[in-house]
Amino acid sequence: DAKTTQPPSMDCAEGRAANLPCNHSTISGNEYVYWYRQIHSQGPQYIIHGLKNNETNEMASLIITEDRKSSTLILPHATLRDTAVYYCIVRATNAGKSTFGDGTTLTVKP
Amino acid sequence: ETGVTQTPRHLVMGMTNKKSLKCEQHLGHNAMYWYKQSAKKPLELMFVYNFKEQTENNSVPSRFSPECPNSSHLFLHLHTLQPEDSALYLCASSQGQGETGGYTFGSGTRLTVV
Repeated sequence: DAKTTQPPSMDCAEGRAANLPCNHSTISGNEYVYWYRQIHSQGPQYIIHGLKNNETNEMASLIITEDRKSSTLILPHATLRDTAVYYCIVRATNAGKSTFGDGTTLTVKP
Repeated sequence: ETGVTQTPRHLVMGMTNKKSLKCEQHLGHNAMYWYKQSAKKPLELMFVYNFKEQTENNSVPSRFSPECPNSSHLFLHLHTLQPEDSALYLCASSQGQGETGGYTFGSGTRLTVV
């Protein structure tokens, strides 16, 4: 699995968009980008994933660059409950192992 | 509830005890995973099962023994643990080989070894 690089922490004002970057410059052609988040002491929660097209669901949007070497998770209107550690990982298929890095600690402030 | 249930939520055990962690999912998933999360460390993959067969053992010490009797249940048997094994143990499931959906994680078992 390709390694990902994320900033260790970010702050965001409540109600504003939170844009979380991820670098995955060694991603392979068959690897998807996945995003999860973990609220303190709970299990990680799946947010969204994509291969090369931008994706949107009820939780977030995922923007993947054309060369697929980086991506951005967008929370359009951050709330205090979005404060969590956000993990970006890449993986080819579900049965392959996923390596979680340190993630980005997002703090949403009033 | 996420659809993946882990029991117990909290466990305190002595170094000579034997205990088991249980994970159950009724999502129709065929792959199940054990992860370990120590304080202020990233999640560490321990074991992967795909259609009840173990496909990954990430150099885990033998004092951790997984068991997957069917695609819905996963156990982690613990014996002669060390204090440094204290951590949050997370179970996850996914659709299976070739599928690309995300993992569904349980809430975890907080283990303390005394």
